[in-house]
Amino acid sequence: GAVVSQHPSRVICKSGTSVKIECRSLDFQATTMFWYRQFPKKSLMLMATSNEGSKATYEQGVEKDKFLINHASLTLSTLTVTSAHPEDSSFYICSARGGAGGWTNEQFFGPGTRLTVL
Amino acid sequence: KQEVTQIPAALSVPEGENLVLNCSFTDSAIYNLQWFRQDPGKGLTSLLLIQSSQREQTSGRLNASLDKSSGRSTLYIAASQPGDSATYLCAVGNRDDKIIFGKGTRLHILP
Repeated sequence: GAVVSQHPSRVICKSGTSVKIECRSLDFQATTMFWYRQFPKKSLMLMATSNEGSKATYEQGVEKDKFLINHASLTLSTLTVTSAHPEDSSFYICSARGGAGGWTNEQFFGPGTRLTVL
Repeated sequence: KQEVTQIPAALSVPEGENLVLNCSFTDSAIYNLQWFRQDPGKGLTSLLLIQSSQREQTSGRLNASLDKSSGRSTLYIAASQPGDSATYLCAVGNRDDKIIFGKGTRLHILP
């Protein structure tokens, strides 16, 4: 199946700093990428949807100025957590959709990034 | 608004038993339904994907069924093993291109 990578896998930062997380589709072009967050023992919650070359669509309650998403190419999307605070500590997972053979409705998930804000 | 519910929230069974995990969803207008496995502190491993036109999918000891009209899916695990211990997530792919996840079932297989 298609492979999606995330970098870094784990990051610890001080409160007030910004953190960038990368999501890459390794063997296919992803027209659409999705960002989720997961709190301990909770399910995944969709944060935003990004299409290559256009602005991301954020879910209700997600601050777009706090969580900056850039989908500059068909294989890379980035999520920047600006001025991170301890309550932003979470597990962030991206997914990508879009296969070389045409449209597919399956999303392929990255391995996740554990963010800890001290 | 689509809601996905998984029952039970947690389950412990002895090794070797067959078991069924349940998933229900409120809006039957879906594209697909997917079962994932998540180990503690790890990402998602896709187990089975059922398209809306399909009724079941099988992979090894796993079988997933889909009844769209009743808004239900089951994941059947045969001959459970300790390595099957994990959280199993049911996720519904909506026609608005979004995936809605259930809260998961934490499965513990007792050796």
